Amino acid sequence: AQTVTQSQPEMSVQEAETVTLSCTYDTSESDYYLFWYKQPPSRQMILVIRQEAYKQQNATENRFSVNFQKAAKSFSLKISDSQLGDAAMYFCAYGRGNQFYFGTGTSLTVIP
Amino acid sequence: GAGVSQSPSNKVTEKGKDVELRCDPISGHTALYWYRQRLGQGLEFLIYFQGNSAPDKSGLPSDRFSAERTGESVSTLTIQRTQQEDSAVYLCASSLRRKNTEAFFGQGTRLTVV
Repeated sequence: AQTVTQSQPEMSVQEAETVTLSCTYDTSESDYYLFWYKQPPSRQMILVIRQEAYKQQNATENRFSVNFQKAAKSFSLKISDSQLGDAAMYFCAYGRGNQFYFGTGTSLTVIP
Repeated sequence: GAGVSQSPSNKVTEKGKDVELRCDPISGHTALYWYRQRLGQGLEFLIYFQGNSAPDKSGLPSDRFSAERTGESVSTLTIQRTQQEDSAVYLCASSLRRKNTEAFFGQGTRLTVV
């Protein structure tokens, strides 16, 4: 079975600084995709960024970027120029064939 | 609709009562998922519907839990004889049936069993 591990239950970052959230996964498949979701206190899960496993280039969305290491099965999220609105739970997810597997989440605090 | 809609937003029920949670997926999304999220924890898969195929019920924690979906429309998650351990946020998500697509989530139903 696919598993997704987020080893950092909590992280904090100073406003305007950079933070990296870690995620590792376990799979025997070669074709899959990976996601980072953000869940603010409103409970609404919002897609932050997506990476296809067959692409070597790391995905980037404005201040959010990933470091995808396929051989190491690692998929970390880097948030640059952190803002107060970035404070939330962040979930890493693995997807294949319409099935999704989520990590346990990292709670990010942004310090003004 | 514009997004996944769940109702009610919050539900308080007495232990032993049955509850029904509703999910309206995005129009055209053939896949629909239910997850449970206990306080401060991750998402626990419950059930997955894909079009008219038999649902994947492998995540349902007990026979008190059941879910229905008619075609590609509304789904209901029913919890019978609720227990305090059922208290959680129940999230619904939908997606298109194609490769490389993400799941779109509703805002969830917060269930409190007292």
